[in-house]
Amino acid sequence: QQPVQSPQAVILREGEDAVINCSSSKALYSVHWYRQKHGEAPVFLMILLKGGEQKGHDKISASFNEKKQQSSLYLTASQLSYSGTYFCGTERGSGTYKYIFGTGTRLKVLA
Amino acid sequence: DVKVTQSSRYLVKRTGEKVFLECVQDMDHENMFWYRQDPGLGLRLIYFSYDVKMKEKGDIPEGYSVSREKKERFSLILESASTNQTSMYLCASSPTNQETQYFGPGTRLLVL
Repeated sequence: QQPVQSPQAVILREGEDAVINCSSSKALYSVHWYRQKHGEAPVFLMILLKGGEQKGHDKISASFNEKKQQSSLYLTASQLSYSGTYFCGTERGSGTYKYIFGTGTRLKVLA
Repeated sequence: DVKVTQSSRYLVKRTGEKVFLECVQDMDHENMFWYRQDPGLGLRLIYFSYDVKMKEKGDIPEGYSVSREKKERFSLILESASTNQTSMYLCASSPTNQETQYFGPGTRLLVL
């Protein structure tokens, strides 16, 4: 089943922080995060592995909570360039193809 | 840098037409994917291919077929386009099943 992201959309001012959650109905072993800027292709941001490791990419970091079957993406001191749609990808648990993407979160950073 | 290209950025077709969307990657990746992107539904997998002439259905294959005759090229075919197939279509490739995917810029298809 497709992981559910929350919120669906968020608007921030520059410098504000945001959290995007990705919740799965299945046990998680790894989570991928991607960002798609308007009119562009989605681009890989980071991967999180089982064990609760927190990874970072500039001022964007993420955590992985196995018990909650959830990953959270933290955007600190948002910049205009953070605007876009964020997707998580989690493991399916069965089938040849490993990952299934989430419902997406649209983030808009205003000056 | 990996490059994934799609044949068209925008496409307008009529109901019932046969539509071909082409995708080419230049990094010799084994896996290629076709997704459909709709607001609130995220990226949904239509088909994927793990080798030449090999394909598997994704989550929403109905109304679509695919072709992979060469490793670098993966085509999505809408046999008889319908208005509910109006969407953004994204192609992606990856070296293996578990690794990062590289996406193309997408094709926005409008079916009238």
